[in-house]
Amino acid sequence: TQLLEQSPQFLSIQEGENLTVYCNSSSVFSSLQWYRQEPGEGPVLLVTVVTGGEVKKLKRLTFQFGDARKDSSLHITAAQPGDTGLYLCAGAKQAGTALIFGKGTTLSVSS
Amino acid sequence: EPEVTQTPSHQVTQMGQEVILRCVPISNHLYFYWYRQILGQKVEFLVSFYNNEISEKSEIFDDQFSVERPDGSNFTLKIRSTKLEDSAMYFCASSEARFRSGEKLFFGSGTQLSVL
Repeated sequence: TQLLEQSPQFLSIQEGENLTVYCNSSSVFSSLQWYRQEPGEGPVLLVTVVTGGEVKKLKRLTFQFGDARKDSSLHITAAQPGDTGLYLCAGAKQAGTALIFGKGTTLSVSS
Repeated sequence: EPEVTQTPSHQVTQMGQEVILRCVPISNHLYFYWYRQILGQKVEFLVSFYNNEISEKSEIFDDQFSVERPDGSNFTLKIRSTKLEDSAMYFCASSEARFRSGEKLFFGSGTQLSVL
């Protein structure tokens, strides 16, 4: 069974700070996705990374896929209270197979 | 934006009872999924469904579980005899094509199942 380990599990910061959350595995994934989940809601896809070393930017969010396609990171610049939520990474070992989720990082940004 | 709809939002049942969780996927989507999330734990894959048959299932999806697409719009998950450990948030998801690199998966808001 593949595991996606996310760290940190909890992160509490002040508005304006930068942060990075990590998603690591000993297995290679064909793709990794990052989701954000609000309480009482389902996960909402933020980005998909496919190529080793790929970097994608979504406004203040920067996503990177490791060269070996075993890990990924999410960096948020100048965090805002609206960024508060649960950030999940999920990977597929092969195209067309089920997603495996990490346990998530709970981010709290206070003003 | 189109969305996946799940009903009910909350379901309380007695241990041993059967429950049916309902989902209406996005209308032009062809692939359907059920995931669950036990409180404080990670989202876990249960089953994927395409062309009226199961295409993949996890170890969690044992004989007590079944899925069905009874008509052109609904996609259901049935648990025949619920156990306490079935208590979880159940998410339905759908995608336009077979999930592959870059394919977007749309999740519903979930059904919180509580087994007493």
